[in-house]
Amino acid sequence: DSGVTQTPKHLITATGQRVTLRCSPRSGDLSVYWYQQSLDQGLQFLIQYYNGEERAKGNILERFSAQQFPDLHSELNLSSLELGDSALYFCASSVAGTEWGAEAFFGQGTRLTVV
Amino acid sequence: GQNIDQPTEMTATEGAIVQINCTYQTSGFNGLFWYQQHAGEAPTFLSYNVLDGLEEKGRFSSFLSRSKGYSYLLLKELQMKDSASYLCAVRSLYKLSFGAGTTVTVRA
Repeated sequence: DSGVTQTPKHLITATGQRVTLRCSPRSGDLSVYWYQQSLDQGLQFLIQYYNGEERAKGNILERFSAQQFPDLHSELNLSSLELGDSALYFCASSVAGTEWGAEAFFGQGTRLTVV
Repeated sequence: GQNIDQPTEMTATEGAIVQINCTYQTSGFNGLFWYQQHAGEAPTFLSYNVLDGLEEKGRFSSFLSRSKGYSYLLLKELQMKDSASYLCAVRSLYKLSFGAGTTVTVRA
């Protein structure tokens, strides 16, 4: 158990809908990363927050947004869902954003299926 | 941006050694990580290099050459449970970016 909690574990929804994925980082970790992993694909970096502030953005679609709250949990919002958004969405946390040796620990992921 | 390249697949025999290479191009480099991922599961941290040289951790070792933008993960005394995808990841400023992963299959 990495200490990173993601909910829900599975989500099935229809095209055009909106969903919210939640992540609670490890105790003491200030940095949260979101990744998308489609079938047989690598981990695509979406966005990173550090202590409530957005620090880095990857190839995140405009239909997607995220935030990190004062208690450090984070939410990833996906709207106007398309079939191609079906994927595993991982959250990871680390102590800091740039600190040497701060490896990221991953949650178990949310498997999103858009039908 | 970052380019991280690693082979797609490798096959080896139980008890053997396998070396997975990773090359990268990035600016603001501040660390290279290796993760293991079994299908459908979360990646788990294996090793970290920030300075040139070899880091050894049991059956796993990782090497880094910053001037060459090159790293490798060495898996020794392969076991069947080592069959998995191995991900090379580069930290650059605030981003932690991953390669596509190398699927290692261990045969009896």
